Amino acid sequence: ETGVTQTPRHLVMGMTNKKSLKCEQHLGHNAMYWYKQSAKKPLELMFVYSLEERVENNSVPSRFSPECPNSSHLFLHLHTLQPEDSALYLCASSQDIFPMGTQYFGPGTRLLVL
Amino acid sequence: SQQGEEDPQALSIQEGENATMNCSYKTSINNLQWYRQNSGRGLVHLILIRSNEREKHSGRLRVTLDTSKKSSSLLITASRAADTASYFCATDTSSNTGKLIFGQGTTLQVKP
Repeated sequence: ETGVTQTPRHLVMGMTNKKSLKCEQHLGHNAMYWYKQSAKKPLELMFVYSLEERVENNSVPSRFSPECPNSSHLFLHLHTLQPEDSALYLCASSQDIFPMGTQYFGPGTRLLVL
Repeated sequence: SQQGEEDPQALSIQEGENATMNCSYKTSINNLQWYRQNSGRGLVHLILIRSNEREKHSGRLRVTLDTSKKSSSLLITASRAADTASYFCATDTSSNTGKLIFGQGTTLQVKP
């Protein structure tokens, strides 16, 4: 247990569905992250939030919409996804972004888009 | 191009042997971190080494950092089947971008 939880663990959705991924950290950290991990590719950073403010939006398509209502929760809202969006989506948190220390990862959500 | 690149991409050894993985990076860093990922799971932090450090140990893990060569190595001694996983290096660059840059990882298989 890393102190970061993600739900759901697995998700299958059609291209016209709308779903949300949830992440919660119990570590008192100020920064949270969404990553995408596809087969044979490095971890891709999608979004960074620090003190509930988005500080990084890594050219992510608008069909992915993040939300950070407070420093403990992070959501990723999904709509009209494409099959190539199928991947493992990982949430992480860290104490701060400056300096960048250890990141603590959740177990991930395995997403399959049909 | 990737800030962190691991070498080799895949490594297969027998239980009890040592495993060495290397990481090269391109720009100056504040720190370099190593993570492990079991299949389909989240990443687990192993070691953080700062740019002014040359070597760190944690149990059976030894990490070295050579900033002049922009490279790091992770040594796992007396490997066990449970060490089978993917290992990633990640760099916090001196440009203070507020993000870690991950490499593609080394897949380690330890045969019993």
